Amino acid sequence: SQQGEEDPQALSIQEGENATMNCSYKTSINNLQWYRQNSGRGLVHLILIRSNEREKHSGRLRVTLDTSKKSSSLLITASRAADTASYFCAGEGSNDYKLSFGAGTTVTVRA
Amino acid sequence: EAGVAQSPRYKIIEKRQSVAFWCNPISGHATLYWYQQILGQGPKLLIQFQNNGVVDDSQLPKDRFSAERLKGVDSTLKIQPAKLEDSAVYLCASRPLRDLGNTIYFGEGSWLTVV
Repeated sequence: SQQGEEDPQALSIQEGENATMNCSYKTSINNLQWYRQNSGRGLVHLILIRSNEREKHSGRLRVTLDTSKKSSSLLITASRAADTASYFCAGEGSNDYKLSFGAGTTVTVRA
Repeated sequence: EAGVAQSPRYKIIEKRQSVAFWCNPISGHATLYWYQQILGQGPKLLIQFQNNGVVDDSQLPKDRFSAERLKGVDSTLKIQPAKLEDSAVYLCASRPLRDLGNTIYFGEGSWLTVV
């Protein structure tokens, strides 16, 4: 079953701009994780936010979590061409510990 | 620390043939996962091992897919016979314990094309 649903499906921005993508999930979670996938590569873990946390930062990344709305957002500030990738959110179910992914947001950063 | 190793990276086979993928998780990681990622979609969990025991294989098409982790370390995923719709990336992942807040680490994936 799909836990995360990302929005938008695709995003195109100019280098230096911020990129925001949202994720909604269905069931209760222990944590929500964001991953990046470059074309033809595996998944790279970006950040994990626990269900009792509301906001987390890592470098140019900012993640928020609203458990009442079952939603999360990922903000990439001052984007670079190297940020061009697909971004996936994945919720770890609180009952089964399964990590279930959404379909992802494809981000293109134009130079 | 070495990452999750997978092989082969790429494989092209004809439908009805068989294929096997190998995964060596990060040393000491008890939990191992196989995910299937079809182009344009997010990864879907096929099977989860804790040491050498299966925790969850509810989404594994057992008529054609099998997986084992005999010594609780590396794992093999087999598809026999392959169908066109099996064309996907097969991602192996691992983490230390089935515990809250532990990051799951993914390998580079094995890319399968069935023709």
